[in-house]
Amino acid sequence: GAGVSQSPSNKVTEKGKDVELRCDPISGHTALYWYRQSLGQGLEFLIYFQGNSAPDKSGLPSDRFSAERTGGSVSTLTIQRTQQEDSAVYLCASTRGGGYNEQFFGPGTRLTVL
Amino acid sequence: AQSVTQLGSHVSVSEGALVLLRCNYSSSVPPYLFWYVQYPNQGLQLLLKYTSAATLVKGINGFEAEFKKSETSFHLTKPSAHMSDAAEYFCAVSEGGGAQKLVFGQGTRLTINP
Repeated sequence: GAGVSQSPSNKVTEKGKDVELRCDPISGHTALYWYRQSLGQGLEFLIYFQGNSAPDKSGLPSDRFSAERTGGSVSTLTIQRTQQEDSAVYLCASTRGGGYNEQFFGPGTRLTVL
Repeated sequence: AQSVTQLGSHVSVSEGALVLLRCNYSSSVPPYLFWYVQYPNQGLQLLLKYTSAATLVKGINGFEAEFKKSETSFHLTKPSAHMSDAAEYFCAVSEGGGAQKLVFGQGTRLTINP
């Protein structure tokens, strides 16, 4: 497809379980971002990947959150030992590079932690 | 640190009326400013962006925004509202450069009355 895709679209899990969220960016986009959208906190930056550089993890809320990007393309956001406050929509975006290039957003993964 | 304030979490206008969504920002460096729209169960779509060129920026769907440095504002307007404009709108700021981390406002839900 031409856009950013994310899977699954919905994920329901039990407190304490680990979850993996996947993002497929637009082909050729070198930069990839994860954001979280929740009722209490709005839209928050989580992590940023640019090419082969070390990721900017400054937005990750705790050490239970991690992300990787394999081969400069697909990214996986992992949340370990999920908590109810992790319930949110997790959005992925990609762009050709830094600067002011438009970030193209995927439809998001809605995570519900019971 | 950068921040964005959107005045009014909900705005309601009649079809054909002027749309005005307010955004004020705080940034220690010349900002890049963006307006995104989010339709239900969809990701974010870029409406327009300011990147230090013209202060009056025209975007898609008839929207425009004016950057006013003296007022630290970037309000979004549309002369005549259409039913299809009903959505949530987010103002965002970034420092630009290599890492375009977006800092979002809390969002404004726009309702269009027939």
